Amino acid sequence: KNQVEQSPQSLIILEGKNCTLQCNYTVSPFSNLRWYKQDTGRGPVSLTIMTFSENTKSNGRYTATLDADTKQSSLHITASQLSDSASYICVVSPGAGNKLTFGGGTRVLVKP
Amino acid sequence: ETGVTQTPRHLVMGMTNKKSLKCEQHLGHNAMYWYKQSAKKPLELMFVYSLEERVENNSVPSRFSPECPNSSHLFLHLHTLQPEDSALYLCASSQVLRDRAHEQYFGPGTRLTVT
Repeated sequence: KNQVEQSPQSLIILEGKNCTLQCNYTVSPFSNLRWYKQDTGRGPVSLTIMTFSENTKSNGRYTATLDADTKQSSLHITASQLSDSASYICVVSPGAGNKLTFGGGTRVLVKP
Repeated sequence: ETGVTQTPRHLVMGMTNKKSLKCEQHLGHNAMYWYKQSAKKPLELMFVYSLEERVENNSVPSRFSPECPNSSHLFLHLHTLQPEDSALYLCASSQVLRDRAHEQYFGPGTRLTVT
């Protein structure tokens, strides 16, 4: 069964600090992995997308890594800001077809 | 905001009401999706329309009825809902080429409360 597990479920960090979110998946075949940011009450917005041949990708203060061998990904947030408070969702695509597998998300709260 | 809009943003309805959710995409995509997002659960895919044909229906109860009149518009008709149907309903669109779906763009969602 295709699954995406994210950890932790939630975390609280102080403004200016760094944090790392984890994503483990069992989706096969694998085409790409995406990280989305979802603000409260809004739809998810894409942060990064990586194929199996890419092992790191950055988008501003967000850096995603991918290890296709161990089927693990991480999202690192550098110098967190209050606006980083959101849910971060890991999504894996098998490629063919439309069906994505979503993780349960990590809820991040940045405190001043 | 993305090129996907949803109305209404908030909806409260009784169990005997009939209402519809609307989604419109301005991105020229050929596939549209309905998702349900309940508290503390992953997004659940409900329906997929590709080239205006329904290609996926994930065992969704018949009290949810989708309609896709054209590639830019998607509706979700609701009737005799249950309180457990209260959730955030998200619409998304993407471009599908050679059976491969590219990135999905999400709308802001409709927060539905069933009383």
